[in-house]
Amino acid sequence: AQSVTQLDSQVPVFEEAPVELRCNYSSSVSVYLFWYVQYPNQGLQLLLKYLSGSTLVKGINGFEAEFNKSQTSFHLRKPSVHISDTAEYFCALTSGTYKYIFGTGTRLKVLA
Amino acid sequence: NAGVMQNPRHLVRRRGQEARLRCSPMKGHSHVYWYRQLPEEGLKFMVYLQKENIIDESGMPKERFSAEFPKEGPSILRIQQVVRGDSAAYFCASSPEKTRTPNTGELFFGEGSRLTVL
Repeated sequence: AQSVTQLDSQVPVFEEAPVELRCNYSSSVSVYLFWYVQYPNQGLQLLLKYLSGSTLVKGINGFEAEFNKSQTSFHLRKPSVHISDTAEYFCALTSGTYKYIFGTGTRLKVLA
Repeated sequence: NAGVMQNPRHLVRRRGQEARLRCSPMKGHSHVYWYRQLPEEGLKFMVYLQKENIIDESGMPKERFSAEFPKEGPSILRIQQVVRGDSAAYFCASSPEKTRTPNTGELFFGEGSRLTVL
């Protein structure tokens, strides 16, 4: 069975500080990995995705993530956060079907 | 707005009533997916539809839940005789016609419909 684990349900961080949101996955087959962001009262928006190739993936709004196959991780990072980054972030995977497996989400709260 | 449109955004029902959630996919998209997010859980796949066809409903509860995507009009997720455990956020997503596998494409999500059962 496949799974996605986001251990941190909430991450508070001060504005302009760096942040890392952790995502670990489990799968017996190759997977494609995604990070989605959900701003308050909005739908999910794709931040970035890893399909193949370079393990460092850059997304929108200055976010990046690194795929680490040996550690089965796909952590999301941003070197300097803004108040506007306050949102919920979801890590997800698919093994090539439309059935995406989502983590439980991490609420990022950026403090002034 | 050319995005995925869901309505209502919020719906309150009493136990035993019916809930109908609607989803209009993005323009040009012919594939619709419904996901459910229970409190403190991630989104979970429910059903995949194309126009007039249910492709995969393996994530749908066997009773009380049904979905359709008619030739004309939005996709509808219908929950009959709602119970408190149905309280959740229901997200619709769409994607364009797939011309190849495997699917590595992005899903485009709506803002969700939040159902509260009293």
